Amino acid sequence: QKEVEQDPGPLSVPEGAIVSLNCTYSNSAFQYFMWYRQYSRKGPELLMYTYSSGNKEDGRFTAQVDKSSKYISLFIRDSQPSDSATYLCAMFGSSNTGKLIFGQGTTLQVKP
Amino acid sequence: GAGVSQSPSNKVTEKGKDVELRCDPISGHTALYWYRQSLGQGLEFLIYFQGNSAPDKSGLPSDRFSAERTGGSVSTLTIQRTQQEDSAVYLCASSPGTGGQPQHFGDGTRLSIL
Repeated sequence: QKEVEQDPGPLSVPEGAIVSLNCTYSNSAFQYFMWYRQYSRKGPELLMYTYSSGNKEDGRFTAQVDKSSKYISLFIRDSQPSDSATYLCAMFGSSNTGKLIFGQGTTLQVKP
Repeated sequence: GAGVSQSPSNKVTEKGKDVELRCDPISGHTALYWYRQSLGQGLEFLIYFQGNSAPDKSGLPSDRFSAERTGGSVSTLTIQRTQQEDSAVYLCASSPGTGGQPQHFGDGTRLSIL
C-alpha cells in the first residue's frame, strides 16, 4: 500500500463547476501538506501549502486538512478551462529532511 | 526573478552511455532536491542536498546514479551506463531551507534511453 493514495481520474467537469480533489495518507507523522498543479511537459507548480489541520483559502482554491482522518482535499470554485492539468498532493513530516511524498496525481479536464 | 532552471530540457541517448543533468536552484535556496517522474511510478524522491552535503541519498535507485552540488548552488545528477528503465523526467526542486519550507520545481529534463 502506498503512503499517499490519490485517485488518478481522469476527472472531467463543465466550466464553472466546483471540483473536489482528495488524497488519503497512512503516516501520522506528516505535518506539511501541499498541492501542486502540473501542466503537460512542465514542472509541478506550488498551489497551496498548509501546516497541520485546518482550512486555507487562496482565490478560487481552498485546501483542507483533516489529520484525524488522514485526509486532505483541494476545492476549486468556478473552474476554468485553464485549470485543466494534473493535480498532485504532496506531504512530509517535520522529522525528516523535507523529502516530499507524492500522490499519483489526478488529471482534471474542464470543458468550456 | 529566476526560478529553478534545468538543462538540458530533453536528452536522448543510447543505452550504456553516461548522462549529466544540471540544476540551477533559486538564488539563496540552501536546500535542493532531485526527483524522478515516470509513468506508473509517479514522482519519486532521489536525493536531498543541504548546502553541498547530501544527508539523504536514500532514493538513488542504484550505484549508477550519483549527484553533487558545488558552491551551495548548482547541482549535477549523473547516470552512468544508462539503461532503458532510466527513461523518465528528472525534476529538481529547491527551498529556502528545511523545517517545513515549500519546494519549488524546475521544468525537468526529459531523458529517453534508446
